[in-house]
Amino acid sequence: DAGVIQSPRHEVTEMGQEVTLRCKPISGHNSLFWYRQTMMRGLELLIYFNNNVPIDDSGMPEDRFSAKMPNASFSTLKIQPSEPRDSAVYFCASSTPGTGAYGYTFGSGTRLTVV
Amino acid sequence: AQSVAQPEDQVNVAEGNPLTVKCTYSVSGNPYLFWYVQYPNRGLQFLLKYITGDNLVKGSYGFEAEFNKSQTSFHLKKPSALVSDSALYFCAVRDGSSNTGKLIFGQGTTLQVKP
Repeated sequence: DAGVIQSPRHEVTEMGQEVTLRCKPISGHNSLFWYRQTMMRGLELLIYFNNNVPIDDSGMPEDRFSAKMPNASFSTLKIQPSEPRDSAVYFCASSTPGTGAYGYTFGSGTRLTVV
Repeated sequence: AQSVAQPEDQVNVAEGNPLTVKCTYSVSGNPYLFWYVQYPNRGLQFLLKYITGDNLVKGSYGFEAEFNKSQTSFHLKKPSALVSDSALYFCAVRDGSSNTGKLIFGQGTTLQVKP
């Protein structure tokens, strides 16, 4: 299994531009999570999906952020318009059915820099 | 509400000495507890978990953790530290009584092992 795959690995964009981050979870995992990591705020849960349905998006910082999961093998996190304070590492993670007893498998992350 | 506290931003130990990285948690139901490690420019990797059973759980790379219900703690330990253990360590908790899969992470503790 290739694990959780995120793309791109690095993204540098100008303020005001739209940014789309992509994630392919592990096949068979039915839960998908988007996290943001910064030095100041640590690891923050932005949103998570169960069976492609958003369950909790209370961590999404503002309306500029949106996430979709059109099918079990793909999710996107979009920032429009981007701002310098969005610079962070964004991680996607997935988990098996019956997520209680299982941890997450994380992707390698996307390092976003907004200039 | 769930929460996790890692009281130390950084732990410094000499190679060959035992190490402890502290974690306390708060959860309304049964705690499911996890430790993850993050190496530079990488995603988080699962180390070990406590769901039920023996309070001492063993994980990857010689790490272990002890669940203490009365103290609501789940400290990570290793009898003899290696320089290669230097990394960022995260404790996480999930409410086992809930049917959501959301893990809440602590702020992380940087472990520095000196030769």
